[in-house]
Amino acid sequence: SYVLTQPPSVSVAPGQTARITCGGNNIESKSVHWSQQKPGQAPVVVIYFDSDRPSGIPERFSGSNSGNTATLTISRVEAGDEADYYCQVWDSSSDHVVFGGGTKLTVL
Amino acid sequence: EVQLSESGGGLVQPGGSLRLSCAASGLTFSSHAMSWVRQAPGKGLEWVSSISGSGGNTYYADSVKGRFTISRDNSKNTLYLQMNSLRAGDTAVYYCAKNPSDTINYFDYWGQGTLVTVSS
Repeated sequence: SYVLTQPPSVSVAPGQTARITCGGNNIESKSVHWSQQKPGQAPVVVIYFDSDRPSGIPERFSGSNSGNTATLTISRVEAGDEADYYCQVWDSSSDHVVFGGGTKLTVL
Repeated sequence: EVQLSESGGGLVQPGGSLRLSCAASGLTFSSHAMSWVRQAPGKGLEWVSSISGSGGNTYYADSVKGRFTISRDNSKNTLYLQMNSLRAGDTAVYYCAKNPSDTINYFDYWGQGTLVTVSS
């Protein structure tokens, strides 16, 4: 089955740029979606179809997908961005939704 | 405004059964694929199952196939998850999630979740 690999944690100072990666075999052939989950809350999509941003999500959030790695980039990080972030794809070969293991973003 | 509200969670013994429900409002329910996603305590998100808008196509994670059944009643705007032969490893918060169309891609709305605890 398809596997998505994320770093368990990323730390960044306020105002800096955070990059969270999501690795998968030829992931560029798939559409990658990113969700943010704060403690005690349900997830919220922040990027869909690699780089599209839902209304209400700040422009500071962006996404890219190339080769074997998709990346969620958060510019000018704020304390309120501290959360768990999950990448996700639909694997058509198995008809399964696949989530990455999640990355905890810490704002120093 | 789209709202999803799960119910039916609780404490159940290993080997027991439980049926979760997800009541949806603010959308044309039959036009959207729907899914269940769970999260064990302190763990990440795990996809459980998805169903097409008509209910004609269903998909399951390997970990629940043969034990769980997803279904929907479009006349009642309600999604269900029948869970049988429950194991300790099924303990989690179960979220109902909506797909933006009848295609299973990403989830644009989530419920607040219902906790299922499997323990003797």
